[in-house]
Amino acid sequence: SQELEQSPQSLIVQEGKNLTINCTSSKTLYGLYWYKQKYGEGLIFLMMLQKGGEEKSHEKITAKLDEKKQQSSLHITASQPSHAGIYLCGADHAGTASKLTFGTGTRLQVTL
Amino acid sequence: DAMVIQNPRYQVTQFGKPVTLSCSQTLNHNVMYWYQQKSSQAPKLLFHYYDKDFNNEADTPDNFQSRRPNTSFCFLDIRSPGLGDTAMYLCATSRGGGSGGPNNEQFFGPGTRLTVL
Repeated sequence: SQELEQSPQSLIVQEGKNLTINCTSSKTLYGLYWYKQKYGEGLIFLMMLQKGGEEKSHEKITAKLDEKKQQSSLHITASQPSHAGIYLCGADHAGTASKLTFGTGTRLQVTL
Repeated sequence: DAMVIQNPRYQVTQFGKPVTLSCSQTLNHNVMYWYQQKSSQAPKLLFHYYDKDFNNEADTPDNFQSRRPNTSFCFLDIRSPGLGDTAMYLCATSRGGGSGGPNNEQFFGPGTRLTVL
């Protein structure tokens, strides 16, 4: 079983719509990192969450960490074509300092 | 701009022919990582260096080796590539220094897409 599961695996939304991506860990979270990857490219850092209940926003993207549930959600408001790509969560699990475990990603398409 | 650079961006090699991928960083970070990412899969950590200390993942094949001659450069050597090694190889860096904090934020290069024929 995966240590880090993301849902949904893929998502198609109309421009202007809101969407949420979830990331669930099977192990204790010491840090949760969200990245965006465009096809064939490297990962771009979006946000890091560390404390239970923490919430961060950048432009139209908001991420929350529910430490008790070992879950994080990424919410995009009023989606734009520029939001299209693969969103990956990376987890810092206890006892794995300096290492991240990644989820398989959520592929987002934004239609006009 | 400080960054992580990978060369080449695309590499085609023949089955069994050794290949070396390069990564350099201007961030002066302590930690450098190599990941393998196959199509539609999560990046999989192969190994990482914390300064000069090499940390190999238990399931990384012996066919994969790495060198870090100095802080700025790290190389991935694939001694005898097989067809199953076709993948994107991602290099990343971080400051290092503890779990869960900003020091663990990883900065990624653009990747090298390797095709083994």
